Amino acid sequence: GAGVSQSPRYKVTKRGQDVALRCDPISGHVSLYWYRQALGQGPEFLTYFNYEAQQDKSGLPNDRFSAERPEGSISTLTIQRTEQRDSAMYRCASSLDTDTQYFGPGTRLTVL
Amino acid sequence: GQSLEQPSEVTAVEGAIVQINCTYQTSGFYGLSWYQQHDGGAPTFLSYNALDGLEETGRFSSFLSRSDSYGYLLLQELQMKDSASYFCAVRGSARQLTFGSGTQLTVLP
Repeated sequence: GAGVSQSPRYKVTKRGQDVALRCDPISGHVSLYWYRQALGQGPEFLTYFNYEAQQDKSGLPNDRFSAERPEGSISTLTIQRTEQRDSAMYRCASSLDTDTQYFGPGTRLTVL
Repeated sequence: GQSLEQPSEVTAVEGAIVQINCTYQTSGFYGLSWYQQHDGGAPTFLSYNALDGLEETGRFSSFLSRSDSYGYLLLQELQMKDSASYFCAVRGSARQLTFGSGTQLTVLP
């Protein structure tokens, strides 16, 4: 009964570098969501997958952000040419296509 | 777009009852969720209301009035471990969540 896992837990990068954040959802969960959470704020929706299909990417801030879930399980959120304003906690959540989302521990991204 | 309002801070004593209110404005409403988040932890699901009325789960209850665009989370018999941030969130058509800014609950001994 493992929960949602994310890696790395902490990522420090220099401005202009690309980063890839990984999410391993609960086994069997068909829905996967990516959120970004600033300190003292609620999570902000980025994108959503149903199986391998990206159903909604309306929350991605700009075209430097992309996500994939090629086999309907593990997902990767990629940020190209990182900027300091990208620094935040990035969380993924998975669901059995119900209204309960299970959140992972997050990846704390710091862009120097 | 969607927006939610909830108080930023609430303080109560152990054993008391506290109510955290949430009002929302949304172009399409499917339901209201509540999540708890302890410092340094991940949000965890508490409750979901799609229809008007009260949902009870142990010490926690959640209420929704769709006509008033309003809901609340009621926490009874407060314990020290209930000190955390509480977020209301509106559900979108694909079950994506739009969260409020959160209410920091402090439970005093």
